[in-house]
Amino acid sequence: DTGVSQDPRHKITKRGQNVTFRCDPISEHNRLYWYRQTLGQGPEFLTYFQNEAQLEKSRLLSDRFSAERPKGSFSTLEIQRTEQGDSAMYLCASSMNQGVKGFFGQGTRLTVV
Amino acid sequence: GENVEQHPSTLSVQEGDSAVIKCTYSDSASNYFPWYKQELGKRPQLIIDIRSNVGEKKDQRIAVTLNKTAKHFSLHITETQPEDSAVYFCAASISNTGKLIFGQGTTLQVKP
Repeated sequence: DTGVSQDPRHKITKRGQNVTFRCDPISEHNRLYWYRQTLGQGPEFLTYFQNEAQLEKSRLLSDRFSAERPKGSFSTLEIQRTEQGDSAMYLCASSMNQGVKGFFGQGTRLTVV
Repeated sequence: GENVEQHPSTLSVQEGDSAVIKCTYSDSASNYFPWYKQELGKRPQLIIDIRSNVGEKKDQRIAVTLNKTAKHFSLHITETQPEDSAVYFCAASISNTGKLIFGQGTTLQVKP
C-alpha cells in the first residue's frame, strides 16, 4: 500500500446532486494533486496544493469544482450540480517538496446517473 | 500547451518477446519522465522513471530511454510475461510543480 488514502471508493449520485471526495496523502508529503481519469484515457491534471496553498488549477476545473486543503494535510474535492460528464475516476497523488515521484491513491469512482 | 503523445495505443506480443512503447513531449522544460502500469480498476503504479540528466535507466526487464533533443522517451520490456498485460502510461513533468501530463495509454497484451 502506497499510503495515499481516498474515500469513498465508489460513489453513485443523481444528476444535479453535490458530491465531496476526500484524500489523505502520505503524512510527510506536502504536495497533493488531483487528477481525473475517464475510461480509456490517461489521468488528466485538475489541481495541486503545496501545503494548504492551491498553486495551480486546470481549465478542466470548472466553477462547479472546488478543492481545499485547509490544514495542509487531507484534501477535499467537491463537485456541485453533478453532470453525467463528471462520471470518472478521481485520483489523488502526493509527493515531497520538489520531488515529483507521485504516489496515487486507489481513486474514487464517480457515476452520475 | 503541454502535451504528451503516446504510441501505439494497443500492442500485442507473444510471451518472451520484447515490447516497446514510445512517447513524445512538447514542453522542453520537462525534466522528469515516469511510466505507470495500470491494471483494470486499479490505481496507476509507478514502474520506472527517468530524469532529464540521464539517457537510459534499467530495472530488471524494464528499461527507459530518453532523447532530450528529440523530446522522445521510450519504455522497453524484455522477456514479456502474461502478467505484464496492462495499460501503460507515460508522463512528463516539470519538477518545480510536480504536475504530471500523461500520454493516452498503451494497452499491452502478452499472449501465452
